[in-house]
Amino acid sequence: EVQLLESGGGLVQPGGSLRLSCAASGFTFSAYAMSWVRQAPGKGLEWVSSISGNGATTYYADSLKGRFTISRDNSKNTLYLQMNSLRAEDSAIYYCANVRPGAFSEYWGQGTLVTVSS
Amino acid sequence: QSALTQPASVSGSPGQSITISCTGTSSDVGGFNSVSWYQQHPGKAPKLMIYEVSKRPSGVSNRFSGSKSGNTASLTISGLQTEDEADYYCSSSTSSSTRVFGGGTKLTVL
Repeated sequence: EVQLLESGGGLVQPGGSLRLSCAASGFTFSAYAMSWVRQAPGKGLEWVSSISGNGATTYYADSLKGRFTISRDNSKNTLYLQMNSLRAEDSAIYYCANVRPGAFSEYWGQGTLVTVSS
Repeated sequence: QSALTQPASVSGSPGQSITISCTGTSSDVGGFNSVSWYQQHPGKAPKLMIYEVSKRPSGVSNRFSGSKSGNTASLTISGLQTEDEADYYCSSSTSSSTRVFGGGTKLTVL
């Protein structure tokens, strides 16, 4: 059974940092590109970042302006998102998902909530 | 990276058919056969319903179908059922190798 389990969310002050993790199981993790997608409270889905299967290639939403870094450790079957200089508008549920070559995601985690507030 | 344009809401009665549109540009929807659709019930993670414009994953009802014409993709749900009531999002790859989602459509089954 495929499982994606996010962790690392929580309450952080504006300007602070958080590192999200996504532990994968049930599929060959290194064979898949992976993405982070977020959803602000009551809002729609927003693509955040993607990374290739070997970690060599990364992509980011323009709105992040270099504040976030995606990475992966294929030896640990884990995806990461380092978030720096956090702002109130970064408050959201953050989902990890696999990415198939047709740019679709069949596997999603349950999400981890990030709240940026003083 | 502007979001794809979807109607905010659509509604239909059980048994009817509805269509949700998703409009982008030649740099995303119109330029690639990489449109996918996701269903999201409140408090749940998104679920893949359609991929590569018109393909259905195993386990998804054949009441769900997808198509594309130019810069606009569409999701059609036939024989509406109460459990279809949810939010629906389209997504596409882009010429920048990124992804973009639509703003989402709330489907109400009356």
